[in-house]
Amino acid sequence: QTVVTQEPSLTVSPGGTVTLTCASSTGAVTSGYYPNWFQQKPGQAPRALIYSTSNKHSWTPARFSGSLLGGKAALTLSGVQPDDEADYYCLLYYGGAQPWVFGGGTKLTVL
Amino acid sequence: QVQLVQSGAEVKKPGASVKVSCKASGYTFTAYYIHWVRQAPGQGLEWMGWISANSGDTTYAQNFQGRVTMTRDTSINTAYMELSSLTSDDTAIYYCARDNMCGGVSCPDYWGQGTLVTVSS
Repeated sequence: QTVVTQEPSLTVSPGGTVTLTCASSTGAVTSGYYPNWFQQKPGQAPRALIYSTSNKHSWTPARFSGSLLGGKAALTLSGVQPDDEADYYCLLYYGGAQPWVFGGGTKLTVL
Repeated sequence: QVQLVQSGAEVKKPGASVKVSCKASGYTFTAYYIHWVRQAPGQGLEWMGWISANSGDTTYAQNFQGRVTMTRDTSINTAYMELSSLTSDDTAIYYCARDNMCGGVSCPDYWGQGTLVTVSS
């Protein structure tokens, strides 16, 4: 069974920069996995941030960016704000019988 | 504006089935897929499957094969997810999400508010 791995938790200071990563048990993550990133705050539905590695939705703040880094998908937050404290999930596309798999999520604390 | 409005919370007994609805508005329902995703209490997101609102074609995650059925009713722009043989492990919030074609590639964008399903004897 395919496993997608994220850092369980990260802490960043306000105004700082942090990078969250998303790894696949099948090997290096490439653009063909169409990485998506979502933000979820307590009691809310997930909100889409990034699609197809690095593309932003119309509502995605400019401080969020997506990329590929060292064989993983990455989400970088620059100029972090207290409101960015949330859980972040990546979603990778594998096609076939199990097209999509979520990562376990990263709890980002802004402190 | 695009909206996905899900049905209300459900309480079910072990062994029962539950059917959650997801009513779409603000876009052409049949032009997109609908994902179903669940989240157990305090846990992460789990992809369950998706359905083409146009053709009704479905793909289910391996973990749910044989227990989940996704359907849609194009006359009322509504997608459904039915899960059978419920156990306490199925207690979770169930979400629907629209799959857009962003630049020609699949991308879930708008999400429903979630439906809490509680399985308890």
